[in-house]
Amino acid sequence: QTVVTQEPSFSVSPGGTVTLTCGLSSGSVSTSNYPSWYQQTPGQAPRTLIYSTYTRSSGVPDRFSGSILGNKAALTITGAQAEDESDYYCVLFMGGGISVFGGGTQLTVL
Amino acid sequence: EVQLLESGGNLVQPGGSLRLSCAASGFTFSTFAMTWVRQAPGKGLEWVSGVSASGGSAYYADSVKGRFTISKDNSKNTLYLQMNNLRADDTAVYYCAKVAGSATTRGVDYWGQGTLVTVSS
Repeated sequence: QTVVTQEPSFSVSPGGTVTLTCGLSSGSVSTSNYPSWYQQTPGQAPRTLIYSTYTRSSGVPDRFSGSILGNKAALTITGAQAEDESDYYCVLFMGGGISVFGGGTQLTVL
Repeated sequence: EVQLLESGGNLVQPGGSLRLSCAASGFTFSTFAMTWVRQAPGKGLEWVSGVSASGGSAYYADSVKGRFTISKDNSKNTLYLQMNNLRADDTAVYYCAKVAGSATTRGVDYWGQGTLVTVSS
């Protein structure tokens, strides 16, 4: 069974740039996986940042961007702010109508 | 403004059933796929089920296949999740979410606030 992999944790300095990745335990991620990225703070519903690899959701600041880097999907935050400290989840479309979430990355801004 | 309002979460005994509903507004419900995502206490997000815009195609995670049924009533702008033979590990907040297209491929663009399902004796 293919597992979607994310870094368990990451830290970034305020104003810095960080790239979170989303990979597969077997194989490469491509735009055909329609990678999407969600942000969640404790006790809140998830918020969509990026869907279908590159598309920024309505109201999301342009410091968030999605891409494919090598064999993984990537979420880059340019100019991180304190309010970006959250959990970040990616999801990949695996075919056959099925999607699978990664385990999430806890981002610390300090 | 897109709004998704879940209801139906409750405390239920193992082996019991529950039906979740999600009332949608602010978009043309019949032209978008929908999905359910859950989150167990202290855990990450888990994709549960998805349905195409027409309601004609439904998909399930292995963990719920054969026990859960997703459906979409386009005349009522409402998404459902019928959950049977519930187990303790089904305990979670269940989120209704709108997909950014007519098929379930493209990822979610809007989320509801979630409804809590607790399976316990």
